[in-house]
Amino acid sequence: DAGVIQSPRHEVTEMGQEVTLRCKPISGHDYLFWYRQTMMRGLELLIYFNNNVPIDDSGMPEDRFSAKMPNASFSTLKIQPSEPRDSAVYFCASSFWGGRDYGYTFGSGTRLTVV
Amino acid sequence: AQTVTQSQPEMSVQEAETVTLSCTYDTSESDYYLFWYKQPPSRQMILVIRQEAYKQQNATENRFSVNFQKAAKSFSLKISDSQLGDAAMYFCAYRSRNYGGSQGNLIFGKGTKLSVKP
Repeated sequence: DAGVIQSPRHEVTEMGQEVTLRCKPISGHDYLFWYRQTMMRGLELLIYFNNNVPIDDSGMPEDRFSAKMPNASFSTLKIQPSEPRDSAVYFCASSFWGGRDYGYTFGSGTRLTVV
Repeated sequence: AQTVTQSQPEMSVQEAETVTLSCTYDTSESDYYLFWYKQPPSRQMILVIRQEAYKQQNATENRFSVNFQKAAKSFSLKISDSQLGDAAMYFCAYRSRNYGGSQGNLIFGKGTKLSVKP
């Protein structure tokens, strides 16, 4: 199993540009989470999906952020337009419920820098 | 809302010694999970250990063990025989047992940076 795969690993973009972050969860996992990590705010949940359906997007900072999960093996987090304050590490994680908690598996994260 | 507090921003330990990282949490729920995650400089989040609140026995994973005090809402991590590779940020996290609605996500503390001295 290759684990949770995120791409790109690093992204540098100019303010105002559209940024798309990608995530491939572990096969068979039914939950997918997007987290953002900054020095000031730590790790905060942006949105999570269950069986490809968004369950809670209350952490999405504003309308510039959107996330999709078109199928069980792919999710995107899009920022349009990007701003310098969006600079952070974005993590994707997936998990399997199955009646008990088997723990989350995190991807390696995407470090986004908006200049 | 649940909160997780790690009161030690930084800790240091001598190689081969034992260190304990503190974590407290606040919740009105009776059933939940608690976790410790390790984040080395590579930034990969690695699950170290997990505890189910309904289990009174403290979890252990090799050199890592926890002291779970449910009444005190305390969940500390003990690392025995510390190794240079243990140097990392350590995050305590909480998750409700109920996966419904907004209860499925991990709530993280701010982290403790652990340094290991040779």
